[in-house]
Amino acid sequence: NAGVTQTPKFQVLKTGQSMTLQCAQDMNHNSMYWYRQDPGMGLRLIYYSASEGTTDKGEVPNGYNVSRLNKREFSLRLESAAPSQTSVYFCASSERSGTNYGYTFGSGTRLTVV
Amino acid sequence: KNQVEQSPQSLIILEGKNCTLQCNYTVSPFSNLRWYKQDTGRGPVSLTIMTFSENTKSNGRYTATLDADTKQSSLHITASQLSDSASYICVVILFSGGYNKLIFGAGTRLAVHP
Repeated sequence: NAGVTQTPKFQVLKTGQSMTLQCAQDMNHNSMYWYRQDPGMGLRLIYYSASEGTTDKGEVPNGYNVSRLNKREFSLRLESAAPSQTSVYFCASSERSGTNYGYTFGSGTRLTVV
Repeated sequence: KNQVEQSPQSLIILEGKNCTLQCNYTVSPFSNLRWYKQDTGRGPVSLTIMTFSENTKSNGRYTATLDADTKQSSLHITASQLSDSASYICVVILFSGGYNKLIFGAGTRLAVHP
């Protein structure tokens, strides 16, 4: 069981470039999430998708867009990367969006914007 | 101010010793409190989940406690092993702003030395 798979694992971008981070889960989960993790801070929610066909903003959505391509895949797009977006990005999924469900995290994408 | 504060920031112990990590939170009420283990270069993995009314939850050598009166939780690791070297993250989950909000602490980085 692969769980949550993120690609790429590492990426370096120049300021102003765009890219898409990919995430796929094989657990038939309904809900998917994108977080960013910065040094000395807890993970913060960027966007989430409670179910296929829906997406909503989290705490720090500025500069990002998302697409729930199907039930398995949830991508995060940076249209014009900025140095402030240098971070480690984690995708996660849960069976449903209730507070009592477990969350499975991917291994992360380490993004550097120069 | 972060609503979930963890201490210490980092900790070094010798293999076989016990240790206790602390989590103080200001979020109340909440649905449940979780402890996650995050190995370097990996995503967080759930260790324990406690509801507001639970006091203790164990998972092998890991025991989490919750004191709702003092708004404190702790994670006790017994007979530490080299593989326990990781960051341990305290997370409070509640339903807020129309979605399930996970409030992450910044983590305690534990190093177990032989």
